[in-house]
Amino acid sequence: DAKTTQPNSMESNEEEPVHLPCNHSTISGTDYIHWYRQLPSQGPEYVIHGLTSNVNNRMASLAIAEDRKSSTLILHRATLRDAAVYYCILRDTIGGTYKYIFGTGTRLKVLA
Amino acid sequence: GAGVSQTPSNKVTEKGKYVELRCDPISGHTALYWYRQSLGQGPEFLIYFQGTGAADDSGLPNDRFFAVRPEGSVSTLKIQRTERGDSAVYLCASSNLRGSKYTEAFFGQGTRLTVV
Repeated sequence: DAKTTQPNSMESNEEEPVHLPCNHSTISGTDYIHWYRQLPSQGPEYVIHGLTSNVNNRMASLAIAEDRKSSTLILHRATLRDAAVYYCILRDTIGGTYKYIFGTGTRLKVLA
Repeated sequence: GAGVSQTPSNKVTEKGKYVELRCDPISGHTALYWYRQSLGQGPEFLIYFQGTGAADDSGLPNDRFFAVRPEGSVSTLKIQRTERGDSAVYLCASSNLRGSKYTEAFFGQGTRLTVV
């Protein structure tokens, strides 16, 4: 399974943008890049996913490098509710293998 | 609508006992996943069902762990002869097919298992 590398922790001030990086140098052509976040005492929650092009939704934006070896999750205005562990995951869809392999993620701290 | 429901939310059991953890996925979701999460770690994959069959059980740590999904909806994770190292939060998730691709996974709140 292709692996991802993320910083253990990051801090941001409230109402400022946050850029959460992820390296995935061994990504294959069929791997989608998924981001989930986990608030304290909750199950993981879907944030966004993409394959090659940058993606936007109501929660965040996903910027994918041209060579797909890295990506960045962008929270445009961090709030205290965004404090969570953010996981960058490669999801293989070849041969019906749809499982997510989580790493240790990035713990985001938002300062008031 | 209702999300993924896991019961019980907390379970304390004695070492050596048998436990069952239940997962009710979102209605109609064909894929169901089990994960376990230890403190400070990311969720660890255990098993994944497509419909009634286990499509990938490569994450089950040993033969004390078993999961079923007999009718393609509710799933039960069964742990025999529990050990203290089995203590963790057990997470269940479900997702659905849209065209030829699965949608994002929706996770339950988890069952916190403590083996004493």
